[in-house]
Parts: sequence; C-alpha cells; structure tokens
Amino acid sequence: ELKVEQNPLFLSMQEGKNYTIYCNYSTTSDRLYWYRQDPGKSLESLFVLLSNGAVKQEGRLMASLDTKARLSTLHITAAVHDLSATYFCAVHLDAGGTSYGKLTFGQGTILTVHP
Amino acid sequence: AAGVIQSPRHLIKEKRETATLKCYPIPRHDTVYWYQQGPGQDPQFLISFYEKMQSDKGSIPDRFSAQQFSDYHSELNMSSLELGDSALYFCASSLAAPAQLAGDYEQYFGPGTRLTVT
Repeated sequence: ELKVEQNPLFLSMQEGKNYTIYCNYSTTSDRLYWYRQDPGKSLESLFVLLSNGAVKQEGRLMASLDTKARLSTLHITAAVHDLSATYFCAVHLDAGGTSYGKLTFGQGTILTVHP
Repeated sequence: AAGVIQSPRHLIKEKRETATLKCYPIPRHDTVYWYQQGPGQDPQFLISFYEKMQSDKGSIPDRFSAQQFSDYHSELNMSSLELGDSALYFCASSLAAPAQLAGDYEQYFGPGTRLTVT
C-alpha cells in the first residue's frame, strides 16, 4: 500500500524567511503533484513533477523530485502572508495504462506566515 | 477556461437520509475521480471512472455508489447517511493515458460539495 508522508505538518514562518516542506512516499510512482488549499476551498494545482531531478518554480515556490529517494521538496523563498494555506503533496499510481489512476495525498502541511 | 462543476455546493441531510452529488467534468475529459475530505484530513480517494466504466476503487463505503453517464458527468449516491459522512466531497477530472503524449497530466479539482449530516 502506498504511503505518503509530509513533514512538517505545521509550519509557522516569519515573512521573508525560507523553509522547505518534505514529502516522502513508499512506492515507485510516475508523477507527483503539489496542491495548495485555502480553508474550505478546493485544491489548487501548483506543480506536476514527472521525472527524477525535475525542478519547477513559480514565484516564491520551487518544487523538486528525487525518484530514487522517493522524496519531493517544496521550497518557500522569502515567505509572504499570502502563502498561508495548507499544502499537500499527492502521489499518482497508474491504474493500468488506460487512465491516470488515483492520487494518494500526504497529510498536508499547514503553513502560517506571520508579519 | 471551463472548470469542473459540482452541485450542489452545500447540502444538509439528516442521519439515514440519502444524498446525490453531481460532477460535470471539464469538456473532453473522460476520467472522473471522487475524493472525500473530512475536517482537518487529507483527501481520500473513493472511486474513479474512465469512459463510463469504473476504473479504480478506494475506501468507498458499501452505502455509496457512483456512476458515469454517457455525457461523462458523474453522480455519487450516498444512502443511510451517518454523522461521519460529513465532509467535503471533491470531484476531479482528467484526460486519460493518450493525453500523456500531449503533456497534460493534470487532475483538475472541482470546488467541492460540503455535506453536513445532522
């Protein structure tokens, strides 16, 4: 059974600081997603990482994937209050070639950025 | 751009009642997924459909059933509702495997239906 673990689960940051969220998973996967969720809202896709060594950046967020270590990181640079949200990583398992298959989510990291 | 549509957005039911949630995928998307997110929890996969056939099944209670129709919309039917069924229910849609060649791997999530069972 695929297990996906994020850490930390809670992250309180000051504006302007850097930090990294880690996502470990237990089984080989062909792609990994990062989502952002505001309270009571839907899941907003941030990044899709497809291959070993993949790195993607959007604004103050950068995601990377190491498939050999089964580890993805979401790095936050110079945090601002607007980044406060819950961040999920999700790992994809192909259901057999005819569909994309389900996503298994990490527990989520609740990020709070203080002035 | 068109997004995944879910209805209703909010639903309040009493214990032992039934509920039907609807999902309209993004046009041209042929795969639909249902997820349940309890308070403070991560989304849990329930069930998925590809071309109107069930393609995968997760931790979906026997009291729940779902189907995908010829126009690709999907419905999640929930019977004998329990207090523990109170959650956000998300539908997501995507293109199937051939779309990988075009680089579109996304699962796009709808706004969710908040179900409250009292």
